[in-house]
Amino acid sequence: DIQMTQSPSSLSASVGDRVTITCRATQGISNYLAWYQQKPGKVPKLLIYAASTLHSGVPSRFSGSGSGTDFTLTISSLQPEDVATYYCLKYNSALSWTFGQGTKVEIK
Amino acid sequence: QVQLLESGGGVVQPGRSLRLSCAASGFSFSNSGMHWVRQAPGKGLEWVAVIWYDGSNKFYADSVRGRFTISRDNSKNTLYLQMNSLRAEDTAVYFCATDNPRDDIWGQGTMVTVSS
Repeated sequence: DIQMTQSPSSLSASVGDRVTITCRATQGISNYLAWYQQKPGKVPKLLIYAASTLHSGVPSRFSGSGSGTDFTLTISSLQPEDVATYYCLKYNSALSWTFGQGTKVEIK
Repeated sequence: QVQLLESGGGVVQPGRSLRLSCAASGFSFSNSGMHWVRQAPGKGLEWVAVIWYDGSNKFYADSVRGRFTISRDNSKNTLYLQMNSLRAEDTAVYFCATDNPRDDIWGQGTMVTVSS
């Protein structure tokens, strides 16, 4: 099975900082990678799919990049409302999913 | 509107069974692969199972294989998760979701607590 390693597990940054979260797959997964934001008690919210496509309505400060085994989620200018836990998701068409371990983002 | 609504959660003793349901509306359920995902209290998201749009194929996480069964009734636009031999570590919020992440269709979740 393909495993997803997400890092860091947590980070603290100042408002306006550039934040980067990475996800690494144990095998190539092309661009079958999505990023989610989850706030406590809420349903995960899609940010990015196909590694770099911004989901409708998501602020442009969020971006994704990568292909194959290495992927990155970037928040270009951290805002207070971005405090949340972020997950990467490896997906295939109607096959198993694999989530990363999550990254908790806080404001310094 | 587009919606997934889970039900069937509750408190159950270890070793007992529970069946979750996920009612779909507002989109073509019969053309959608469907997943169950769970989240233990204070923990990350864990994929549980997937079923193809026509029910012809099903895949499970190692942690639930042999105990959980995913199924669907396209005539009722409903997805199910039969959970047998429940363990304390199955305690979680269970979400259903459509297969294509681009659709971004998730239910609100139903809580399952396994405790004596």
